[in-house]
Amino acid sequence: DTGVSQNPRHKITKRGQNVTFRCDPISEHNRLYWYRQTLGQGPEFLTYFQNEAQLEKSRLLSDRFSAERPKGSFSTLEIQRTEQGDSAMYLCASSQPLGDEQFFGPGTRLTVL
Amino acid sequence: SQQGEEDPQALSIQEGENATMNCSYKTSINNLQWYRQNSGRGLVHLILIRSNEREKHSGRLRVTLDTSKKSSSLLITASRAADTASYFCATDWEIQGAQKLVFGQGTRLTINP
Repeated sequence: DTGVSQNPRHKITKRGQNVTFRCDPISEHNRLYWYRQTLGQGPEFLTYFQNEAQLEKSRLLSDRFSAERPKGSFSTLEIQRTEQGDSAMYLCASSQPLGDEQFFGPGTRLTVL
Repeated sequence: SQQGEEDPQALSIQEGENATMNCSYKTSINNLQWYRQNSGRGLVHLILIRSNEREKHSGRLRVTLDTSKKSSSLLITASRAADTASYFCATDWEIQGAQKLVFGQGTRLTINP
């Protein structure tokens, strides 16, 4: 399968714990995006990478959130000291250098107890 | 905050009927995209329409765009049970040379057999 993959698909954690999600984009895509989606809402933009450079961060991304894309390939999103309000689906997408269409992964569903 | 608003929020029709969903947005755009999301899963890109286009077709899908009214519609003809999903419109917001997608809240479509 050459689509965007995300791991894990589901994560249940206790409040205060740290969690890390991984996204593997389509191999030739240099642009990578993270979105968050809460129940009944559309996805909301979190951050964007072009190659290894993080070029844009949403105000939604508090200082407890950090994202990396160290070699310009896969990306990780870490949430420290999780709160119940962090419970959501975290979606990753990638796109070609000159493409407008974003290809989404299946998402990681986070539940904070 | 989300730029797009879909209407209706929920739609239930019989298999074989046509389904129409509308999307309104607030600011000028380069293009508008429609995505489908099956329950609890990632988003699948359906169609992209550019700001200089008025109508676009893809299989059973027809999308229109009226930039003067800042609105778009998605028509699914001859609906099937497999079309049951949430449908989102997304407008683009340029960030550092790429496009951040701004999604509406979605229309939840149910096709009854």
